[in-house]
Amino acid sequence: DAGITQSPRHKVTETGTPVTLRCHQTENHRYMYWYRQDPGHGLRLIHYSYGVKDTDKGEVSDGYSVSRSKTEDFLLTLESATSSQTSVYFCAISALAGGPDTQYFGPGTRLTVL
Amino acid sequence: KNQVEQSPQSLIILEGKNCTLQCNYTVSPFSNLRWYKQDTGRGPVSLTIMTFSENTKSNGRYTATLDADTKQSSLHITASQLSDSASYICVVSSLNAGNNRKLIWGLGTSLAVNP
Repeated sequence: DAGITQSPRHKVTETGTPVTLRCHQTENHRYMYWYRQDPGHGLRLIHYSYGVKDTDKGEVSDGYSVSRSKTEDFLLTLESATSSQTSVYFCAISALAGGPDTQYFGPGTRLTVL
Repeated sequence: KNQVEQSPQSLIILEGKNCTLQCNYTVSPFSNLRWYKQDTGRGPVSLTIMTFSENTKSNGRYTATLDADTKQSSLHITASQLSDSASYICVVSSLNAGNNRKLIWGLGTSLAVNP
């Protein structure tokens, strides 16, 4: 998985609780991304980062926040989890934002919100 | 509206047989097209990336084609193996004037290779 780890790998939580997912890379890539994957939908971008403390929203950012205090770590926080946020979350990294670069994906975190 | 449509939705073939997966897109402006393989329970892994000027690219038993005029791509798998059982996802990249990339993901084709 290209030097990308995600933690936890599985989590079950209750509606209304805060949840933080962690993505850690050892590739020193500038760009990091959080996606969610749900049946019937392609991967959907939640937030991305183009450098330390530089982040921006993706297409489904409502209810999520992110932080990147170090190059290697990108955190995704669900401030108050809802059942609609039950999903598989993938972190990805890339060296370049434009051009034919490749995104490398982590192993995913399966989150269940009861 | 930018869209990527893949067909078939699912496919079952016998080990050793060839198969072709299709991807049609309506994305503008077009930057590049990628095919990813996603094994069950794992993240997607890139197979090929094709830019506007490329019409064929191979990666082992995987060969991708791109027709930018008709906005179609195909992924051909030769001599399939059990390990080819996975979801294959087509992703089209659009690059705007500010050099910001947007990826439009297809829903994938689920391929099962049976012995």
